[in-house]
Amino acid sequence: SAVISQKPSRDICQRGTSLTIQCQVDSQVTMMFWYRQQPGQSLTLIATANQGSEATYESGFVIDKFPISRPNLTFSTLTVSNMSPEDSSIYLCSVTGTEDGYTFGSGTRLTVV
Amino acid sequence: AQRVTQPEKLLSVFKGAPVELKCNYSYSGSPELFWYVQYSRQRLQLLLRHISRESIKGFTADLNKGETSFHLKKPFAQEEDSAMYYCALRMDMGRRALTFGSGTRLQVQP
Repeated sequence: SAVISQKPSRDICQRGTSLTIQCQVDSQVTMMFWYRQQPGQSLTLIATANQGSEATYESGFVIDKFPISRPNLTFSTLTVSNMSPEDSSIYLCSVTGTEDGYTFGSGTRLTVV
Repeated sequence: AQRVTQPEKLLSVFKGAPVELKCNYSYSGSPELFWYVQYSRQRLQLLLRHISRESIKGFTADLNKGETSFHLKKPFAQEEDSAMYYCALRMDMGRRALTFGSGTRLQVQP
């Protein structure tokens, strides 16, 4: 299965600033997904990152707040913009593997102060 | 809309006891169901999926379409099974991302 390198692993940020999270995959993958896991909650899909076109966002998530790039089939970034304490979460990227399972990054633990 | 429900936040058992982690889903189509596990300080990893019908680390799960359930079972729990377990669903068409349940923390006591 694919191996994902996600960074940073954690960060503490001031409110009003932005953080860009990177996911690098060791093989070309068609679909990449970004999830949020708020404290004590399950994983919620933010968006599907599409190569060569705009990301597809889920209800409640907008491009201005969570801009996503997908310049090629092995890389994607998620930016959390104009952060507030409510954005404190773990953010994860995920890809579908060749055997059609899903692989997850190690997550980025974001704390906004 | 599709939904996955895991009614127990925490399940605590003694070593050697049977384990059943409950998962129910709602979806009008033919879903694919997964169990993911997250051990302490590790990333989410696939435990099993219903179409493979495998037994991984002694765990099994059977898709019951009549009861819309995909419960995870193990006859004899081990301490190393202590982890967070997530049930997840993928729709048969449309969005290919997974929909997750809220997770159940399994604690296996010695």
